Amino acid sequence: NAGVTQTPKFQVLKTGQSMTLQCAQDMNHEYMSWYRQDPGMGLRLIHYSVGAGITDQGEVPNGYNVSRSTTEDFPLRLLSAAPSQTSVYFCASRGQGSYEQYFGPGTRLTVT
Amino acid sequence: ILNVEQSPQSLHVQEGDSTNFTCSFPSSNFYALHWYRWETAKSPEALFVMTLNGDEKKKGRISATLNTKEGYSYLYIKGSQPEDSATYLCAFRANAGGTSYGKLTFGQGTILTVHP
Repeated sequence: NAGVTQTPKFQVLKTGQSMTLQCAQDMNHEYMSWYRQDPGMGLRLIHYSVGAGITDQGEVPNGYNVSRSTTEDFPLRLLSAAPSQTSVYFCASRGQGSYEQYFGPGTRLTVT
Repeated sequence: ILNVEQSPQSLHVQEGDSTNFTCSFPSSNFYALHWYRWETAKSPEALFVMTLNGDEKKKGRISATLNTKEGYSYLYIKGSQPEDSATYLCAFRANAGGTSYGKLTFGQGTILTVHP
């Protein structure tokens, strides 16, 4: 089991560029989510999904899109990067009926 | 938006000191309260999941208590060591239906620094 994997680990973008952060899990978990971490703010939920084909917005969804075409993958798209999206992004997954949530290693994104 | 607050925001202690910090959360629709330990450049690591009022959990020198009626949890570290230095996060999960059932709302974290 690889658990939750994220790519890339680091990324630098220019303002206005778009990109996709990848997240995959091999534990057959139904629930997946994306968080961003900013100093003094803890982890804030961007988008989440309770299963393939079902996504919903979290606290800070603006500027991000997600899709969930398979159980394993939950990519996060930045449509037009802004400096305010400079952050560390974590993907997480959990099995239905389980309390334990597993985090990926994070992607550090800088937008200049 | 659910309000989950942690205090203090940061804490500096000497090696060997015992310390504790607080997580407060909504006292209604409680489902679970999670504690995570988070070191810089790593993923958050689960410490405890607490589900029942009065729960007490222990892992080595770290323990946690839960009061769902008043909406708070305490995390205790006995005899702090420099390797305990990390950010400690709590996360609240509401008893919600529909697509909201799995959402965790995190506090802003308590940054603990243990000085040798």
